Amino acid sequence: KNQVEQSPQSLIILEGKNCTLQCNYTVSPFSNLRWYKQDTGRGPVSLTIMTFSENTKSNGRYTATLDADTKQSSLHITASQLSDSASYICVVSDRGSTLGRLYFGRGTQLTVWP
Amino acid sequence: DTGVSQDPRHKITKRGQNVTFRCDPISEHNRLYWYRQTLGQGPEFLTYFQNEAQLEKSRLLSDRFSAERPKGSFSTLEIQRTEQGDSAMYLCASSTQAGQNTDTQYFGPGTRLTVL
Repeated sequence: KNQVEQSPQSLIILEGKNCTLQCNYTVSPFSNLRWYKQDTGRGPVSLTIMTFSENTKSNGRYTATLDADTKQSSLHITASQLSDSASYICVVSDRGSTLGRLYFGRGTQLTVWP
Repeated sequence: DTGVSQDPRHKITKRGQNVTFRCDPISEHNRLYWYRQTLGQGPEFLTYFQNEAQLEKSRLLSDRFSAERPKGSFSTLEIQRTEQGDSAMYLCASSTQAGQNTDTQYFGPGTRLTVL
């Protein structure tokens, strides 16, 4: 069964600190992995996308890693800001259909305190 | 604003009523998706259009749900005889066929449905 599991479910950190969010998946065949940021009451916004051959990608203070062998990904946030408070969703696409079906994790709810 | 827009943003209805949501994708995007998201969960795929053709529907899309994209631009999602279990955020996303399986989906703000 194709699944995407994220941990932790929620996380609270102080402003300025770093944090790392985890994503494990069983989606096969694998096409790509994306991290989205979703603010409360808003639609998700894409942060990074990585294909099989990529093992790291950065977008400002966000750095995503991918280990396709162990089927794990992480999202590292550096020098957190209050505006980073949001849900971070890991999304994996399969290669088994022309659609490239997306499998969503439940998200990690990050809260940054001043 | 040239992003994906959805209307209405919020809808409260009584059980048994019909509701219709609208999604306007980014103008040059030929792919349009509908998702449903409940509290604390990630979005769940409902259906997908390429231009005006509805190419895939999830098993989640019961016969009370119908989606259209008549001219390959905006799309509507109708729920008939709403049930309390339909209460959720309904998200629309669009993308362009830049490359198979690597197109980024841009999401709208969602329509939050509450069925009383």
